[in-house]
Amino acid sequence: TQLLEQSPQFLSIQEGENLTVYCNSSSVFSSLQWYRQEPGEGPVLLVTVVTGGEVKKLKRLTFQFGDARKDSSLHITAAQPGDTGLYLCGGTSYGKLTFGQGTILTVHP
Amino acid sequence: NAGVTQTPKFRVLKTGQSMTLLCAQDMNHEYMYWYRQDPGMGLRLIHYSVGEGTTAKGEVPDGYNVSRLKKQNFLLGLESAAPSQTSVYFCASSQGQGGYGYTFGSGTRLTVV
Repeated sequence: TQLLEQSPQFLSIQEGENLTVYCNSSSVFSSLQWYRQEPGEGPVLLVTVVTGGEVKKLKRLTFQFGDARKDSSLHITAAQPGDTGLYLCGGTSYGKLTFGQGTILTVHP
Repeated sequence: NAGVTQTPKFRVLKTGQSMTLLCAQDMNHEYMYWYRQDPGMGLRLIHYSVGEGTTAKGEVPDGYNVSRLKKQNFLLGLESAAPSQTSVYFCASSQGQGGYGYTFGSGTRLTVV
């Protein structure tokens, strides 16, 4: 089983602060996906990165795939209360998606 | 809205009872998956299917069976429920392998007493 370690597990910040969530593994993945999940709902895809070193931006969110395709990061600029939720990274290999434990982000007004 | 629909949303079972969770998708996706989500453990793959009539084991398949008789449906069965199967179950589908994102249903919260 390929393991994905996500850190931190919990993050509590004030509105307007910046933050970074990390997703690390010793395994190489075909792609790395980031999802956001709200209570009582299923995860919703934010982005997929497939090329080593790739950087994608989604408004205030910046996603990066490591050069060796073993790790990824999610950076949020000027966090807002609406960003509160569970953030999950998932790596695909041989057609299957393996998830990290998730990061619970709370942004206080 | 198009997507993945799971039924039921909630269920309470007694130990030893059986049940089937239904997942339906209307996006013509080839691949379908069943995950369970437990606190602190993220999402773990139970079984998956790469097309109609095919199924394969994931990371935690014991105690579960699946069937994919129709492309749009993926059923998850518990033959003899155990308290360790108390969890939130999510079904997902995707267009293909590799960089294709998954579309998840809203989950089924199952409690086994």
